Amino acid sequence: AQSVTQPDIHITVSEGASLELRCNYSYGATPYLFWYVQSPGQGLQLLLKYFSGDTLVQGIKGFEAEFKRSQSSFNLRKPSVHWSDAAEYFCAVGPKGYQKVTFGTGTKLQVIP
Amino acid sequence: GAVVSQHPSWVICKSGTSVKIECRSLDFQATTMFWYRQFPKQSLMLMATSNEGSKATYEQGVEKDKFLINHASLTLSTLTVTSAHPEDSSFYICSAPTTGHKETQYFGPGTRLLVL
Repeated sequence: AQSVTQPDIHITVSEGASLELRCNYSYGATPYLFWYVQSPGQGLQLLLKYFSGDTLVQGIKGFEAEFKRSQSSFNLRKPSVHWSDAAEYFCAVGPKGYQKVTFGTGTKLQVIP
Repeated sequence: GAVVSQHPSWVICKSGTSVKIECRSLDFQATTMFWYRQFPKQSLMLMATSNEGSKATYEQGVEKDKFLINHASLTLSTLTVTSAHPEDSSFYICSAPTTGHKETQYFGPGTRLLVL
C-alpha cells in the first residue's frame, strides 16, 4: 500500500529564511511524487511533480524538491520564504499520472516578519 | 489556466436531508473526476472516482448509497450526500486531471458541509 508521511505538522519561519518541508513515502513501484499548496478558500495548487529523470525538480514560486530513492524522501525547499508562502503544504504519491493519489497529512507553514 | 469550480462553497443543512455538491471543469473536458474528503488537520482522503458515462468507483469503506456520484457530462460531476448526519460534516474537494502532453490535475476550492 502507498503512504506518505509529513512529520512536521506546523512550521514557523522568518520571512527571508530558507525552508525545508519533509516528506517520506512508501510505494511498491517507481513513485510519482507531488507537492501541493492549499491556501484558505482556494483549491490545491500543484507546486511541482516528479515522474522520472533529474531528481532535483524545479517548481513554481521558487520551490524545488529533491527525490532521494535511498531515503524514500521528497523534501520541498525554498531558499528565501515570502510572507505569501504561508499556507498548508501537502506531499502526495501515486502511480503514473494523477490517478489514486495518496496525500500526506500536510504541513502548515507560518511566516513571521 | 484551467479551473475547477465547486458549488456551493459552503452549506449548512439539517440532519436527514440530502445535499448536492457540483464540480465543474470550466475550460477543459474531464472524463474522470475525483472526490476527496478532508477532516480538520487531516489529509485528503479519496472517496471515489467519478467516470463520465459510467458508474463511479468507490474507495473501500465509502458507502456508495450514501454518497451518490453522477458524472452527467464531460464538465460536470455531482456528489450527493444522502440523509446527511452530523458525522458527514466535512470539507469535500473535487479534482479533475487533464490529458495530453501537459497532463496535470486541478482541484476545486472545496465545499464545507455542516450538518446540524
